[in-house]
Amino acid sequence: NAGVTQTPKFQVLKTGQSMTLQCAQDMNHEYMSWYRQDPGMGLRLIHYSVGAGITDQGEVPNGYNVSRSTTEDFPLRLLSAAPSQTSVYFCASSYSQRTNTEAFFGQGTRLTVV
Amino acid sequence: AQKVTQAQTEISVVEKEDVTLDCVYETRDTTYYLFWYKQPPSGELVFLIRRNSFDEQNEISGRYSWNFQKSTSSFNFTITASQVVDSAVYFCALRHWDSGYSTLTFGKGTMLLVSP
Repeated sequence: NAGVTQTPKFQVLKTGQSMTLQCAQDMNHEYMSWYRQDPGMGLRLIHYSVGAGITDQGEVPNGYNVSRSTTEDFPLRLLSAAPSQTSVYFCASSYSQRTNTEAFFGQGTRLTVV
Repeated sequence: AQKVTQAQTEISVVEKEDVTLDCVYETRDTTYYLFWYKQPPSGELVFLIRRNSFDEQNEISGRYSWNFQKSTSSFNFTITASQVVDSAVYFCALRHWDSGYSTLTFGKGTMLLVSP
């Protein structure tokens, strides 16, 4: 059982480049989300989805786009990368937003924008 | 506003000492869920425990224990007889509802360093 799979694990981008961080889960979870982790800031929510076709913004959505066309996949797109987006990104999924089930996290993507 | 405060940025202890990590939360919801996660130096996030707002029973799991007090909006985590392997960043998190959807809000984390 793979759980939550994020790719790539590491990435270096030049300012202005675009890229997509991939996230897939095989647990048939309803709820998926993206966080960024910066030193001293904890994990901050970027975007989340409560099911296929439904997404919403979190605390720090600017500069990021998401879509959820299937239950399994929840990619995060950076349209024009900026140095401020240098961070570690985590994708998470949980069975439902309505219960106390915990979130399962991917291994993280360390992104550097130069 | 929903908020999770972990006032201790970093704690250093010597092996076998007991240590308590504090977590204070704010929410207007009457139903909410609290979690603790561990992030070891390898970077992954590991789920430790969940607690429902209507269940104030404290919990012990081996050397770990959790004290949930609604009256003070706190959900503190104690490690008894700490070990070097406990060195990690620990996050407290709150699942709450906003505009009909729930989100998980994390504290900024407490880095625990256990030295031999």
